[in-house]
Amino acid sequence: KNQVEQSPQSLIILEGKNCTLQCNYTVSPFSNLRWYKQDTGRGPVSLTIMTFSENTKSNGRYTATLDADTKQSSLHITASQLSDSASYICVVRRDAGNMLTFGGGTRLMVKP
Amino acid sequence: SQTIHQWPATLVQPVGSPLSLECTVEGTSNPNLYWYRQAAGRGLQLLFYSVGIGQISSEVPQNLSASRPQDRQFILSSKKLLLSDSGFYLCAWSRQGKETQYFGPGTRLLVL
Repeated sequence: KNQVEQSPQSLIILEGKNCTLQCNYTVSPFSNLRWYKQDTGRGPVSLTIMTFSENTKSNGRYTATLDADTKQSSLHITASQLSDSASYICVVRRDAGNMLTFGGGTRLMVKP
Repeated sequence: SQTIHQWPATLVQPVGSPLSLECTVEGTSNPNLYWYRQAAGRGLQLLFYSVGIGQISSEVPQNLSASRPQDRQFILSSKKLLLSDSGFYLCAWSRQGKETQYFGPGTRLLVL
C-alpha cells in the first residue's frame, strides 16, 4: 500500500533553534518527493522537490534530504523564525500516472 | 502571473442541503485542475482532477461531484451534504505536462 508517514505530528520549538521533520514512505515506484508548507487556513506552498538521484535540496533556511534506499526524507529548518509556524507536508509522487500521496503533516509552532 | 481563487472562504451548511464550491484560475490556459479535501489533522485526499473542459476523473467514491464548465473554472458540488463532508477543500492547478501544483486559499466547510 502506498503510504507517507510523517513524524512528529506536532512540534514546539523556541525562535532561533533548529529542527528536523521526518517523512517515511512506501510509495512505489518512486518518482519524486516534495515538501510543502501550509499556513493555517491557507493552501500548501511548495518548498522543495527531489528526484531519485538527489540527496539534498535547499531553499533558504530549509534543507531537505532524501535517502531513496531507505525511503526516508527529512526537512531541516535552521534558525527558526516565528513565521515558520505552519504545517509541513511531505508528498510523494508515483512514477506512473498523476497520483500524489500526501503525508498527514507535522504541525510546527515556533515560540518567541 | 497566475492566480487561483476559491470561494466562499468559509461555509456552514445544514445536513441535507446542496453545495457548490467554485475555483477559478487566471493567467494561464488549459490547466490541469484538482479538488482535494483535508480533514482535520490528516493528509490531503485527492477527490477529482480534470485535464480539460468536461473531463473529470474521480479518485474516491463519495457524495460529491465535480464539473468543469469552462477552461479555468472547476466546481465541486453535492446534492445533499453529509456530516462527514465537513473539511477544508482545496483547489489546485498545474500546467499540462508539469508536476508542480499551485493551491488556492481553500474553503472551510462545516456541515451541521
